[in-house]
Amino acid sequence: EVQLFESGGGLVQPGGSLRLSCAASGFAFSNYAMSWVRQAPGRGLEWVSTLIGSGHISYFADSMEGRFTISRDNSNNALYLQMNSLRVEDTALYYCTRGTAGDFSTFDYWGQGTLVTVSS
Amino acid sequence: SDALTQPPSVSVSPGQTASITCSRDQLGRKFVCWYQKKPGQSPVLLIYQNNKRPSGIPERFSGSNSGNIATLTISGTQAVDEADYYCQIWESSVVFGGGTKLTVL
Repeated sequence: EVQLFESGGGLVQPGGSLRLSCAASGFAFSNYAMSWVRQAPGRGLEWVSTLIGSGHISYFADSMEGRFTISRDNSNNALYLQMNSLRVEDTALYYCTRGTAGDFSTFDYWGQGTLVTVSS
Repeated sequence: SDALTQPPSVSVSPGQTASITCSRDQLGRKFVCWYQKKPGQSPVLLIYQNNKRPSGIPERFSGSNSGNIATLTISGTQAVDEADYYCQIWESSVVFGGGTKLTVL
């Protein structure tokens, strides 16, 4: 059974940093692209970043590029999101997602999410 | 990339057919997928590559995409289908529609 479990969320002040983690199990992790998608309170889904299976190719939403870094540890089946220079508008529930075998931009499994709150 | 436009809300009576649209110029040239999001739950992939259903998704969910409009159709809508629905494409980045709240009256 595919499982994705996020952790690392919490309360942080504007300008601060946070590192999210996603522990994956139940599939050949290194063969799949992984992504982060977020949902701010009362808002819709917003894509954050995608990292291809090898870990060498990544994509970012424009508003996050330069502030966020995505990485993975294929030996430990883990995905990470390093978030720097956090803004109030980054407050959201952050989901770890898996891309399908045929299309890295279609998300077939989602974790339960980890809540990030940016506030002074 | 251009935005994907969805109606903010759609209402349907139980047992009837609900249609949720997603529009953008030349959307038919892209693969569209659809997600269902219920409060307090994680999103679920309903449709991918315009009209394919992942295993476990009921047959009452179907999709189409032509011209400038993609449509998610729910046949025989049930109360459990009340949720937010999002369309999504890839165009140098992942683009989500703004979401449609489906109310089953």
